[in-house]
Amino acid sequence: DIQMTQSPSSLSASVGDRVTVTCRASQTISTYLNWYHQKPGEAPKLLIYTASSLQSGVPSRFSGSGSGTDFVLTISSLQPEDFATYYCQQSYSTPYTFGQGTKLEIK
Amino acid sequence: EVQLVESGGGLVQPGGSLTLSCAASGFPFRTYNMNWVRQAPGKGLEWLSYIRSSSSTSMYYADSVKGRFTISRDNARNSLYLQMNRLRAEDTAVYYCTRDRGWGEFDSWGQGTRVTVSS
Repeated sequence: DIQMTQSPSSLSASVGDRVTVTCRASQTISTYLNWYHQKPGEAPKLLIYTASSLQSGVPSRFSGSGSGTDFVLTISSLQPEDFATYYCQQSYSTPYTFGQGTKLEIK
Repeated sequence: EVQLVESGGGLVQPGGSLTLSCAASGFPFRTYNMNWVRQAPGKGLEWLSYIRSSSSTSMYYADSVKGRFTISRDNARNSLYLQMNRLRAEDTAVYYCTRDRGWGEFDSWGQGTRVTVSS
């Protein structure tokens, strides 16, 4: 199985900050990497697919990059509604696997 | 509007069975691959199972549920199912039905249904 490791596990930031979350795969996954965020009590929401494609309706302050084993999610200017937990997920092969999550909190 | 509505969760004893359903609407269900994903209390996301759009012979499972859970679909009823047998305490979670964008990206999620396995 492909293991996905996110860093950091938690992060404190302020509104307006630029934030990055990294995700590393245990083997190459090309660009089969997706990003989600989840607010408490809600279902996850797809933000970025195939490493860098912005899902329809997602604000342009979200961007993704990377290929192979190393990937980055960037939020260019944090908004209050962005405080949530972020997950990466590989869709290169089943079993599809998620990172452990990065909790983004208000500083 | 795409809608996925799960049902069938509840309290079940260890060793028991439960069938989850997911009613889909707002999109051509028969053309989409579908998945189940779960989240244990306070934990992260775990993919469980996949079924191809038009072929109920193409299914995949996580090792944690293989041999105990069965995914199926009824394209005429726009419905996805998860039959869960021999349930364990560690199966306690919120179970989500997800639409697959095409390459394993989950672009729509239901609200989830809670399963509690306890005596």
